[in-house]
Amino acid sequence: QQKVQQSPESLIVPEGGMASLNCTSSDRNVDYFWWYRQHSGKSPKMLMSIFSNGEKEEGRFTVHLNKASLHTSLHIRDSQPSDSALYLCAALNNAGAKLTFGGGTRLTVRP
Amino acid sequence: DAGVTQTPRHEVAEKGQTIILKCEPVSGHNDLFWYRQTKIQGLELLSYFRSKSLMEDGGAFKDRFKAEMLNSSFSTLKIQPTEPKDSAVYLCASSSGTANTEVFFGKGTRLTVV
Repeated sequence: QQKVQQSPESLIVPEGGMASLNCTSSDRNVDYFWWYRQHSGKSPKMLMSIFSNGEKEEGRFTVHLNKASLHTSLHIRDSQPSDSALYLCAALNNAGAKLTFGGGTRLTVRP
Repeated sequence: DAGVTQTPRHEVAEKGQTIILKCEPVSGHNDLFWYRQTKIQGLELLSYFRSKSLMEDGGAFKDRFKAEMLNSSFSTLKIQPTEPKDSAVYLCASSSGTANTEVFFGKGTRLTVV
């Protein structure tokens, strides 16, 4: 069964700092990765997706993907208190349409 | 443009009761998912439908959990009988069904079983 592992479980960064979150899948057939963000008491919302090797940047957020190692990372520069949330990594393999989610990284940005 | 709608937002049940949670997916979406979220276990898939057909029923959740999709725009999740360990947030989500499209989540139903 596919597993998605995220690290660290929790992360505290100062306002203005860089947050780096990691995610690895154990399924060699994974083709797509997503990052979702869930603020406290809210539902998860898609933040970024990445399907090809390399890097993708959107504003303060950068996602990296290494398909050979099935590892993706999310980097948030100039972190803001509003970035404090649970960050969920999700993977989809080429055999199906259901996402498998990791356990999440809880990010706290201290003012 | 309506997103995924879940009702009720909160539910309190006594142990042994039957409860039914409801979900309306995004109009036109073919895939519908029911997840359970707890702090300890994270997001766990309960059921997955594609074009109203049950594709996955979540294995360990089979015995007391039953999801149905009566038509393409409405799904229910029945828990019978409820147990205190079922206390969690139940999230419904939908997507268009193509491989690389976003999954949209509803606001969830917070269930407390006493």
